[in-house]
Amino acid sequence: LAKTTQPISMDSYEGQEVNITCSHNNIATNDYITWYQQFPSQGPRFIIQGYKTKVTNEVASLFIPADRKSSTLSLPRVSLSDTAVYYCLVDTNYGQNFVFGPGTRLSVLP
Amino acid sequence: GAVVSQHPSRVICKSGTSVKIECRSLDFQATTMFWYRQFPKQSLMLMATSNEGSKATYEQGVEKDKFLINHASLTLSTLTVTSAHPEDSSFYICSARDRDNQETQYFGPGTRLLVL
Repeated sequence: LAKTTQPISMDSYEGQEVNITCSHNNIATNDYITWYQQFPSQGPRFIIQGYKTKVTNEVASLFIPADRKSSTLSLPRVSLSDTAVYYCLVDTNYGQNFVFGPGTRLSVLP
Repeated sequence: GAVVSQHPSRVICKSGTSVKIECRSLDFQATTMFWYRQFPKQSLMLMATSNEGSKATYEQGVEKDKFLINHASLTLSTLTVTSAHPEDSSFYICSARDRDNQETQYFGPGTRLLVL
């Protein structure tokens, strides 16, 4: 089972870059790393996904080192609306060998 | 793309009644859907995996006779909470894997269930 470890909470200020690191020491060869954002009383929203190296889209970047035992979600210039819980999920394209960790509660302050 | 809907968004029912929640993939076909439960301030807990045309696989501790799952088509899965009790009150969320992009789960908006 691909378990993950993240900081429970983080604080940041508007306009700063936020980096959230997730550890996944037992990641398997077929596993992908996906990050989700969740607001209260809503389903998780897909942010970004990667397998190795760096992935960038319009909202975030994902950095994955060569050993793939960790990954870092980078949110550039956060705003108050980025206050949410962020989950990293190590998942594969078959079966259900995954588990959601506790996530990181990001608070963006003015 | 990759939109998942759930209906209803919230439901209140009396203890002992049954409630059905629908999960639909709107713009893709989903061979696999997942059902989660989430309590306040907690993470998502996987309840079961639903594969189109076959029986659902339940996680340990989840009663299959209480939480009935049907995945009759590539775009629809349903979760029925039978004989609901107040302790079943929770936030239920479904997700779906795109048949053509199976590394990613796309989540529905969730259903808030309150059992009185």
